[in-house]
Amino acid sequence: SQQGEEDPQALSIQEGENATMNCSYKTSINNLQWYRQNSGRGLVHLILIRSNEREKHSGRLRVTLDTSKKSSSLLITASRAADTASYFCATDAGTGNQFYFGTGTSLTVIP
Amino acid sequence: DAGVIQSPRHEVTEMGQEVTLRCKPISGHNSLFWYRQTMMRGLELLIYFNNNVPIDDSGMPEDRFSAKMPNASFSTLKIQPSEPRDSAVYFCASGGQGAAGELFFGEGSRLTVL
Repeated sequence: SQQGEEDPQALSIQEGENATMNCSYKTSINNLQWYRQNSGRGLVHLILIRSNEREKHSGRLRVTLDTSKKSSSLLITASRAADTASYFCATDAGTGNQFYFGTGTSLTVIP
Repeated sequence: DAGVIQSPRHEVTEMGQEVTLRCKPISGHNSLFWYRQTMMRGLELLIYFNNNVPIDDSGMPEDRFSAKMPNASFSTLKIQPSEPRDSAVYFCASGGQGAAGELFFGEGSRLTVL
């Protein structure tokens, strides 16, 4: 399978704490993306990081990429109850135009 | 823009019936993807179109599944005959070259086959 694997499968934290999710993948990539999915909804794009980048920030999100370990992490700082959702990484498996999703991390932020 | 529009949002059908799911991508996007989401398998890429042409359908599970994109603003995913194991949420997503890989998802079609 070309899918990534997120770790942990589920994460529960208090509001205001930071949340870190990890993604490991199997093949070489051109880019890696993170998406968010609220219950019963479609996925929403959060951030894209290219294979030649090591870190990227967007608001309270910080993404790192280690291509030598084939892994990425998503950090959400100062979490809010509204951040409760499932988070997925997606890689292009080197195709540049087809995207394969991991198994997701279910994040619960307790108010 | 209204985003990616999928219909129906929910469908309940009996085994053996034909199911047709519909998708209207975002205007101007040239890539369209169909995904299936289940608890057991997560998000599976079924088929990918570029400029209305199917590029990779290796994820289509069986011959019972077929997908078409007759024009840039419409795609269908058909299951005939449907089986209970086809029960899942089916997502359509579109992307444009300018988006550098970002995909825009519809809200999904939840299919239940009894």
